[in-house]
Amino acid sequence: DTGVSQNPRHKITKRGQNVTFRCDPISEHNRLYWYRQTLGQGPEFLTYFQNEAQLEKSRLLSDRFSAERPKGSFSTLEIQRTEQGDSAMYLCASSLGVYSGNTIYFGEGSWLTVV
Amino acid sequence: AQKVTQAQTEISVVEKEDVTLDCVYETRDTTYYLFWYKQPPSGELVFLIRRNSFDEQNEISGRYSWNFQKSTSSFNFTITASQVVDSAVYFCALRRRAQGAQKLVFGQGTRLTINP
Repeated sequence: DTGVSQNPRHKITKRGQNVTFRCDPISEHNRLYWYRQTLGQGPEFLTYFQNEAQLEKSRLLSDRFSAERPKGSFSTLEIQRTEQGDSAMYLCASSLGVYSGNTIYFGEGSWLTVV
Repeated sequence: AQKVTQAQTEISVVEKEDVTLDCVYETRDTTYYLFWYKQPPSGELVFLIRRNSFDEQNEISGRYSWNFQKSTSSFNFTITASQVVDSAVYFCALRRRAQGAQKLVFGQGTRLTINP
């Protein structure tokens, strides 16, 4: 059973460019989450999907951010018109089941540097 | 609102020493879940333990032990006979126990360095 896979692992982009990250959750996990982590801080929740439905979005997810999970399997997180403040690690996670006690498994993250 | 505080930003000990990582949380909920995750340099958050708020039994797993005290809203993590491989950033997290509740609220983390 492979873990949560994220690509690319590192991305350096110029301010104003668009970037997209992909997440492949653990097979058969119906829930998928995106978190953002800046240096020296804990991860902060961005959004989550149950199957293909996006059920919750954080205030942190500005209009420049969009996440999709079109077939209920992999997910993409796109950031448009990147800003230096978007520099962070973007963590994807997944879990199986519907109740809130289920363990959430994280990937290794995608580092974004906006220059 | 929920909040998790890990007051220890960094801890450095010599191998084989015991070390305790503190976690204090705030929530208005009467039922909730608490978690500890380990983040090695690779970046992946590794799940260590989940604790239900209605179960205050302490738990031991090998060299790891957890002390949950609801009265003081604390969920501390102790590593006994620390090893260099324990070096990582450790996060405590809180999650509501309610239908639809999915968000994990993390503390700022404690960077643990075990020196040989």
